[in-house]
Amino acid sequence: DAGVIQSPRHEVTEMGQEVTLRCKPISGHNSLFWYRQTMMRGLELLIYFNNNVPIDDSGMPEDRFSAKMPNASFSTLKIQPSEPRDSAVYFCASRTGTVGAGELFFGEGSRLTVL
Amino acid sequence: QQQVKQSPQSLIVQKGGISIINCAYENTAFDYFPWYQQFPGKGPALLIAIRPDVSEKKEGRFTISFNKSAKQFSLHIMDSQPGDSATYFCAASKSNTGKLIFGQGTTLQVKP
Repeated sequence: DAGVIQSPRHEVTEMGQEVTLRCKPISGHNSLFWYRQTMMRGLELLIYFNNNVPIDDSGMPEDRFSAKMPNASFSTLKIQPSEPRDSAVYFCASRTGTVGAGELFFGEGSRLTVL
Repeated sequence: QQQVKQSPQSLIVQKGGISIINCAYENTAFDYFPWYQQFPGKGPALLIAIRPDVSEKKEGRFTISFNKSAKQFSLHIMDSQPGDSATYFCAASKSNTGKLIFGQGTTLQVKP
């Protein structure tokens, strides 16, 4: 079975450019999460979706960040315009069920560097 | 506001020793406490988890100890091996949501 698939794995861009990160969750999973990992702040939850609907976006840092999930097999995280402080590894994760305990399955991450 | 606080930030242990990582939480509504393990260049993966109705859970060399009154839980790795060298994250969530909040992570190095 394929796991969570993220693209690109690495992205280097210049300040002010638009960045789009993509995620394909595991088939059959109902919830999808976007996390950001930095040395200073660890793993921060940015937003999560249940059945393609955004449930909690309180972790999205500012209006420059947006996320969509147009269908059960695809999600995007967009940063426009990007800034050097956005440099981090962005992880997508999915799980079965929408509430309660459950294992999160993470992708391998998208490492973003904004110059 | 950091809802889950993890310590230490880094840890060095000799092969065969015991590694101990601690976490404290603030929200008493949390009722699911997993630990995730992350190797360089990979995403985190579930290692072991506990509910607050038990004080300890053991899986092989890995044990979670849970203290509900103190709002603390810890991961013990017995007979630590170089292959255990990784970053470990504690986390917490409430059963009425799927939202999982992570601690800041502990980088463990096990020296041969």
